Amino acid sequence: QQQVKQSPQSLIVQKGGISIINCAYENTAFDYFPWYQQFPGKGPALLIAIRPDVSEKKEGRFTISFNKSAKQFSLHIMDSQPGDSATYFCAAGNAGNNRKLIWGLGTSLAVNP
Amino acid sequence: DAMVIQNPRYQVTQFGKPVTLSCSQTLNHNVMYWYQQKSSQAPKLLFHYYDKDFNNEADTPDNFQSRRPNTSFCFLDIRSPGLGDAAMYLCATSIDRGPFREYFGPGTRLTVT
Repeated sequence: QQQVKQSPQSLIVQKGGISIINCAYENTAFDYFPWYQQFPGKGPALLIAIRPDVSEKKEGRFTISFNKSAKQFSLHIMDSQPGDSATYFCAAGNAGNNRKLIWGLGTSLAVNP
Repeated sequence: DAMVIQNPRYQVTQFGKPVTLSCSQTLNHNVMYWYQQKSSQAPKLLFHYYDKDFNNEADTPDNFQSRRPNTSFCFLDIRSPGLGDAAMYLCATSIDRGPFREYFGPGTRLTVT
């Protein structure tokens, strides 16, 4: 049973466009929602994360939108660049005693020049 | 810089020949994780340590074992590697208090011949 559902599986965007990746979760105990970026042959790197007490967090061109009632969160990449081409994973976790992440299946993003 | 280090970065082993992957960290984090990641898939948690307490995921095969002799080091032992165990193995760390974040190493790419 997958507890974090991520879509789309792949995404192609033109340079300068907006990339949007969506995730939905089931467990209301989750209180930590990170997005990881992974380039081929590298380990995942934390991109941005949000907690459920805020509805939006922005860091540079990257924004997380969070909808607690719908149990959904999304990543928006503004002004997408070819260097953003990577695989993006959403995840969810609980910052309590059992600190481990449940991962989405990933989105392969290609930004065309 | 404080970091998570994995050695070797690339490991080739023969079918059935035991292999050990290592992870070290200078972050002084008390939680360490081992993930398996196959091509185009999300990282799959194998097990994690809270200090010395070992937590095995229910679907982790018995072929995978782990040791954590001290806070800084953690080892992944694959007792009898099969062709299906070829993957990227990722080590990550976190701390069990304050903001939750997992810090990943660069991974070890395991090839089984």
